[in-house]
Amino acid sequence: DSGVTQTPKHLITATGQRVTLRCSPRSGDLSVYWYQQSLDQGLQFLIQYYNGEERAKGNILERFSAQQFPDLHSELNLSSLELGDSALYFCASSSRFGTSGDTDTQYFGPGTRLTVL
Amino acid sequence: QQQVKQSPQSLIVQKGGISIINCAYENTAFDYFPWYQQFPGKGPALLIAIRPDVSEKKEGRFTISFNKSAKQFSLHIMDSQPGDSATYFCAASHRGGATNKLIFGTGTLLAVQP
Repeated sequence: DSGVTQTPKHLITATGQRVTLRCSPRSGDLSVYWYQQSLDQGLQFLIQYYNGEERAKGNILERFSAQQFPDLHSELNLSSLELGDSALYFCASSSRFGTSGDTDTQYFGPGTRLTVL
Repeated sequence: QQQVKQSPQSLIVQKGGISIINCAYENTAFDYFPWYQQFPGKGPALLIAIRPDVSEKKEGRFTISFNKSAKQFSLHIMDSQPGDSATYFCAASHRGGATNKLIFGTGTLLAVQP
């Protein structure tokens, strides 16, 4: 158990709908990352937050957005869903990311499997 | 330049054998190279990681070999066991950049036959 929790575990919805995925980082971790895992694209970085502020964006669609709340949990919002958005969405957390640029271990949650019908 | 290329796509090894997975990168700014192990239905879990100032790192049966000049690194699993059957991902990141996001390889599905 990595200590990172994600809800829900599974999500089935229809095209055009909007869903919210939730992530609680490990206790004390300030940095949260979202990754998408699909068969054709592999594991791809979407977005990173550090202590409530957006740190970096990757291949995240404009229909997707995220935020990190004061209690450090994060939500990934996916709207106007398309069939191609069906994938596993992982949240990861790490203890710190400061101006020193130190890299530390990213711990992954169990993921949310999104199926768009 | 952000890609990490991984091979092979799949690998079958007999119990007790050596499993070898290779990765190559292009971005010389990368300075952290972890390997993640993923079992079906689970999230990736860090297995072992290396920084470019060393050429090899060993933890138990798992060894990373790193060749900075060739921009390649590999994972060796000694005495492979059926419990090692999983998907393995190499990754890279740049700790000195604006983000330490991980760039993942495409994964290797390892099957260790008893």
